[in-house]
Amino acid sequence: GAVVSQHPSWVICKSGTSVKIECRSLDFQATTMFWYRQFPKQSLMLMATSNEGSKATYEQGVEKDKFLINHASLTLSTLTVTSAHPEDSSFYICSARDVRGAGETQYFGPGTRLLVL
Amino acid sequence: EDKVVQSPLSLVVHEGDTVTLNCSYEVTNFRSLLWYKQEKKAPTFLFMLTSSGIEKKSGRLSSILDNKELFSILNITATQTGDSAVYLCAGVSGTYKYIFGTGTRLKVLA
Repeated sequence: GAVVSQHPSWVICKSGTSVKIECRSLDFQATTMFWYRQFPKQSLMLMATSNEGSKATYEQGVEKDKFLINHASLTLSTLTVTSAHPEDSSFYICSARDVRGAGETQYFGPGTRLLVL
Repeated sequence: EDKVVQSPLSLVVHEGDTVTLNCSYEVTNFRSLLWYKQEKKAPTFLFMLTSSGIEKKSGRLSSILDNKELFSILNITATQTGDSAVYLCAGVSGTYKYIFGTGTRLKVLA
């Protein structure tokens, strides 16, 4: 399967600071990447769809000014949590859409755990 | 509204047992259904199903789609403790939106 990396794996930060998370597709180009958030024992919640070279599409209820997404190249999307607060603490997972081959699928990065103190 | 429902929510079995996990879906302009396994980190891809009635197999895992009755099942035979995980299914819509179910938490006891 394809490889998607995320950096960092873990972040602990103080309230009010901004945190940037990177998502890279290592062995394929991804025009579309997705950002999810997952709370303990709950399923993935799609936050936004990131399209290379254009603005991200945010899901209802997700603040675009709070969660800034940039997809500057075909292999990199970034999510910046601005002015983070304790309620932003969560597991953030990115995925990249792989359209090679007969059908398309989505490969996930390993996730980033964010803890805001 | 698009939705994916998985059952059961949670399952505890003994090693060697066979389990069947269910996923029903209502997805606009349905394209495909995917199964993922999630342990402590992010989900890992298991299967993608697009055609009804065709079984996909990988070792002890197999899956099939019924796009008339709008469901899929994931079978795991001769379960091992390493199969303990949350199994997620996702329906893919015509606009390539992925709708995830809440998952089935499987625990396999030694």
